[in-house]
Amino acid sequence: NAGVTQTPKFQVLKTGQSMTLQCAQDMNHNSMYWYRQDPGMGLRLIYYSASEGTTDKGEVPNGYNVSRLNKREFSLRLESAAPSQTSVYFCASSERTDPLRGYTFGSGTRLTVV
Amino acid sequence: GQQLNQSPQSMFIQEGEDVSMNCTSSSIFNTWLWYKQDPGEGPVLLIALYKAGELTSNGRLTAQFGITRKDSFLNISASIPSDVGIYFCAGSNYGGSQGNLIFGKGTKLSVKP
Repeated sequence: NAGVTQTPKFQVLKTGQSMTLQCAQDMNHNSMYWYRQDPGMGLRLIYYSASEGTTDKGEVPNGYNVSRLNKREFSLRLESAAPSQTSVYFCASSERTDPLRGYTFGSGTRLTVV
Repeated sequence: GQQLNQSPQSMFIQEGEDVSMNCTSSSIFNTWLWYKQDPGEGPVLLIALYKAGELTSNGRLTAQFGITRKDSFLNISASIPSDVGIYFCAGSNYGGSQGNLIFGKGTKLSVKP
């Protein structure tokens, strides 16, 4: 079982460049999420998609856009990367009707903006 | 918005020691979860708690859902080197309008030098 797959695992961008982080899950979950993790800041929600066709802002959405392409895939786009977006990005998925299973996380994308 | 206060922020462990960490909130949650993150990986669910007062074990790990629904703690007994990592608490009100998890900032476990 693959679970949640994120690509790429590592990326270096120059300031102003754009890129899309990809995420796919094979658990037939309805909900998907994007988090960023910075030292001492824990996990901060960027955007989430409660179900296919819907997306909503989280705690730190500025500078990001998302697309819920279908039930399996949820992408995160940086239109004009800034050094402040250097972080580790995690995608997660969950099934709202099964709260005790929590979220399943991918292994992360480590992004450096120079 | 809702915030979770997780403590301690970091701690050093010696093999065989017991470890305790806790999480408090100003808001009530219906569900508390504990995750562990190994270096270079995403967080993995350790224990989920759904009832106030509930005490749940998973091997050497024991977690409790506070009776007020505003706190939870995690104990690790007889720690071993592979226990190192970052532990996150998370609270949720599944069934509510949003149902998102709110995460604490983590407790980093390291081995005593």
